[in-house]
Formats: sequence, structure tokens, C-alpha cells
Amino acid sequence: KTQVEQSPQSLVVRQGENCVLQCNYSVTPDNHLRWFKQDTGKGLVSLTVLVDQKDKTSNGRYSATLDKDAKHSTLHITATLLDDTATYICVVGAGTSGGNYKPTFGKGTSLVVHP
Amino acid sequence: EAGVTQSPRYAVLQEGQAVSFWCDPISGHDTLYWYQQPRDQGPQLLVYFRDEAVIDNSQLPSDRFSAVRPKGTNSTLKIQSAKQGDTATYLCASGTANTEVFFGKGTRLTVV
Repeated sequence: KTQVEQSPQSLVVRQGENCVLQCNYSVTPDNHLRWFKQDTGKGLVSLTVLVDQKDKTSNGRYSATLDKDAKHSTLHITATLLDDTATYICVVGAGTSGGNYKPTFGKGTSLVVHP
Repeated sequence: EAGVTQSPRYAVLQEGQAVSFWCDPISGHDTLYWYQQPRDQGPQLLVYFRDEAVIDNSQLPSDRFSAVRPKGTNSTLKIQSAKQGDTATYLCASGTANTEVFFGKGTRLTVV
């Protein structure tokens, strides 16, 4: 059974539009949830991490929410750019420590931004 | 600061051939991870080290896969007798108890 479910599987938007990516999970523990951007040129890059029961974060054009009661997170990308074309991966786990990093990864949402 | 470096970036093999992947973690990071990411899937942990010791290799297919980190710095992941099902991107990551984890760009393996 998939423990971290992302939707949509793929998404196409025009440059300048906003988009929302969803992550539903059943993994425990869920101390933290992180969103990564993955593209072929730069590997996996962390966008934001959420840790509170009901959390919100903002990082430039990226903003994210987490509701641990609903086991649900969203990633909002505002005013998309061509460089936003990538796969966005939701990751849930016990902690963010690089010393014991064994979270569960989603399959990702493939985002394509057209001119 | 240099990031996690992996080589080669790409590899194409025929079934039955062997291949090795190399990872140079961020200096000072005692923990090193190898992940396998098949196409259209999320990464899955294969093995991880703390210094030179293997901490968890329960997901490493032991009959054909092996990983070493002899001096607690660089690491090599080797596949003996590759199969088409091994086609994936292999990601290396490093970190410490006081940092987050950082990923390399990966090695994309295709077995034909």
C-alpha cells in the first residue's frame, strides 16, 4: 500500500499561473514533512520542511501547509516560471536529522511549465 | 561549500555486466546514504553508513549489490550481473545528527 500519495501525478501550466500540489500520507511517525524539487540538472533540492501539527511555511514563491490530523500537505507555487519544470516530491518521516534519515518518499508530481 | 558528488552521471549496461557508482559526501558528514529511484517512483533507501560501519542494509539485494565506505569518507556502490530491473537513478546523500541531509545529483543507470 502506498504510504505517501501525491496528486496530481502530472501537471501542465502556463508560465505565470499558480498551481497546487497535494500530498496525503499514512506514514507514522510523521514528525516532519519535507517538499523536494528534483530536476536532472540539480538533483534533489529541499524547498521547505513542516513540523507542527498545523503548520505553514513560505519560501519565496513556494508556500506549504501541513495538517497532521488530516495527514495532508499542500505545496503552492505562485507565478510559475519555466525553471519550475521539475518533479516535486513529498517526504514524511521521524525527523530531519541527517544522521538518521530514513523517511518515506512519495512518487512525486511532474510539473511542466509552458511559455 | 562543495555538495555531494557522484560519478558517473550516466551508465548504460547490458544485462549481466557489472558497474560501480562512486560518491564523495560533504566533508565532515559522518552519515552516507544510497537510495534507488526507479523511473516515476520516489527514492527508496538501499543502505546507509555511519563512518565506515554499515548501519542498515536490509533493503540492499545482497546477492548482487554491495556497498563499502572503507575510510568513512567516499563510498562505492557496486552491482554485479546487472538486470533490467536495476534500471533506476542511484542517489547518494550525506548528513550528520546536527544537519539536514543533502543529496547528490545521482547516477542514472540503464540496463538493456
